[in-house]
Amino acid sequence: AQKITQTQPGMFVQEKEAVTLDCTYDTSDQSYGLFWYKQPSSGEMIFLIYQGSYDEQNATEGRYSLNFQKARKSANLVISASQLGDSAMYFCAMREGRKAAGNKLTFGGGTRVLVKP
Amino acid sequence: GAGVSQSPSNKVTEKGKDVELRCDPISGHTALYWYRQSLGQGLEFLIYFQGNSAPDKSGLPSDRFSAERTGGSVSTLTIQRTQQEDSAVYLCASSLGDRRTSPLHFGNGTRLTVT
Repeated sequence: AQKITQTQPGMFVQEKEAVTLDCTYDTSDQSYGLFWYKQPSSGEMIFLIYQGSYDEQNATEGRYSLNFQKARKSANLVISASQLGDSAMYFCAMREGRKAAGNKLTFGGGTRVLVKP
Repeated sequence: GAGVSQSPSNKVTEKGKDVELRCDPISGHTALYWYRQSLGQGLEFLIYFQGNSAPDKSGLPSDRFSAERTGGSVSTLTIQRTQQEDSAVYLCASSLGDRRTSPLHFGNGTRLTVT
């Protein structure tokens, strides 16, 4: 079974509007971390935001916020006031807490966002 | 400070040849990871090093792939007898320890093309 599912392969968003990128995950651990990364066309992976499973408040970092719904196992990324530079591939990732899972980040398949002027 | 450095940035090799990819992590980062990204795809975990512990090799796709990390710093990923399906971008990442909260910091990758 997929650990991380991103159901939107691609989407368009109008400049200055908000966009929500969906991410659902599958784990039996109580302790885990969720991450979002941005990958522009240049290829580098840029860390955006982190949410811990025990965090009661949704994480925010500037224009990025994470809509964390633990019972539904979803961790959607919200980008407010989209800019042309937000055009990129976005990846959701999870690190599980139990030792047997190792320490790797498991990534979803990504969502490509194109911001239109 | 300096980020994760990978070399070469591009490598073209003939099928059947061996290749070595190098990663220099962020200074002070004890955890080092290798991932592979095929064109338009997500990231596939290959191997993970943490300090002096035995590496987690669970993601290596075949015994043609191996990696080592010398002195707890620089790492080399070796692919023997390369095949065309090995063509991908190989990404190295490091993190500060193995805490659940530590994000991975990635290098710019090595684009490997096997002809």
